[in-house]
Amino acid sequence: AQSVTQPDIHITVSEGASLELRCNYSYGATPYLFWYVQSPGQGLQLLLKYFSGDTLVQGIKGFEAEFKRSQSSFNLRKPSVHWSDAAEYFCAFRSQGNLIFGKGTKLSVKP
Amino acid sequence: NAGVTQTPKFQVLKTGQSMTLQCAQDMNHNSMYWYRQDPGMGLRLIYYSASEGTTDKGEVPNGYNVSRLNKREFSLRLESAAPSQTSVYFCASTTGTERRNYGYTFGSGTRLTVV
Repeated sequence: AQSVTQPDIHITVSEGASLELRCNYSYGATPYLFWYVQSPGQGLQLLLKYFSGDTLVQGIKGFEAEFKRSQSSFNLRKPSVHWSDAAEYFCAFRSQGNLIFGKGTKLSVKP
Repeated sequence: NAGVTQTPKFQVLKTGQSMTLQCAQDMNHNSMYWYRQDPGMGLRLIYYSASEGTTDKGEVPNGYNVSRLNKREFSLRLESAAPSQTSVYFCASTTGTERRNYGYTFGSGTRLTVV
């Protein structure tokens, strides 16, 4: 079955520390992959996307993600986390025109 | 500002009542979607409309109906609300053309409580 797995429900990091959020997908072909961020009480904002080509993609707010076909992964990274990055992060891929989402990872940032 | 507009932002219904959630986009997008978001469940697709005049069921369509009124508007109707439909509802849109797809644009959500 097509699915997206985000293994970490909740992650806490210190401000200034590096961050990696994990995402694995199950799909029969190379999917179109996305990361979205949702601040409390808000809608979803697109951070970055991967369609093809360079497997390291850059997004907004200093985020990047790396597509690894062999691991069926699309992990999100940021070298130095800011307090304003506290939010929920969703990995998704596009299948037959529809977005399929993971269940999300909530990020908390310690001062 | 261009984007996806949802109304209302908040709503409380009694069990058995009906209501319609409105969604409109001004980006000339072909495809529109309704998702519900529940804690620990991510976003689940209720219905979608790939283009004006078409609608299809998503993962969790039971208890809902939709109408693609025109290219801009896509409404979601609850005919007889149930407590299990308490959720946050998001509308989204996209161009619908794979190679030109830069992700979906989401509305800010409707928080619905059914008591």
